[in-house]
Amino acid sequence: EIVLTQSPGTLSLSPGERVTLSCRASQSVSRSYLAWYQQKPGQAPRLLIYGTSSRATGIPDRFSGSGSGTDFTLTISRLEPEDFAVYCCQQYGSSPSLMYAFGQGTKLEIK
Amino acid sequence: QVQLQESGPGLVKPSETLSLTCAVSGNSISSAYYWGWIRQPPGKGLEWIGTIYHSGNTYYNPSLKSRVTISVDTSRNLLSLNVSSVTAADTAVYYCASLDLRGILFDYWGQGTLVTVSS
Repeated sequence: EIVLTQSPGTLSLSPGERVTLSCRASQSVSRSYLAWYQQKPGQAPRLLIYGTSSRATGIPDRFSGSGSGTDFTLTISRLEPEDFAVYCCQQYGSSPSLMYAFGQGTKLEIK
Repeated sequence: QVQLQESGPGLVKPSETLSLTCAVSGNSISSAYYWGWIRQPPGKGLEWIGTIYHSGNTYYNPSLKSRVTISVDTSRNLLSLNVSSVTAADTAVYYCASLDLRGILFDYWGQGTLVTVSS
């Protein structure tokens, strides 16, 4: 079973800043199987990035993803007020386990 | 674009069975290959519960497998979740979601429904 660990737990930043969020896997993950979601209070998660670095439909290009092996990152180049939310990573484990694991999330809060 | 809406009791007693349904609109439930349930305890992260292929094949989180049943009713475009023998640890917001055609990620989500387990 793969465990995803995100760091830091909370970040306090100001609009306009650049931020990089980390997602570390307990064992190697295929780049194709790593995704990122954004979740705002009281809302369902929204798919941001799939396949490590591809933006989902409608996601602004200030969001980018990278990484390989056990280390993956989500970068927001310039924080907008609407970007303050919780971000979590997710990996897919191919059969026979067919497991979907989520990181515990990183909260971006306004400084 | 597919839309999903969860429904079910907001309060369930310990040891009873939690039953939720998810109404799918905007697309036939048979048109997507995978459907899933995910939950989120208050203030905590997301936990995958299980996934079902539109043919009926199911895959469950091993930690919940003995208590969970997921099914699809293609005639009514409904996805269902049953969790038996619930405890307070099953208190969470429950989400239904569609997966992409490869079954790798969750692309569309319902708004979620809070289920509290308490006597």
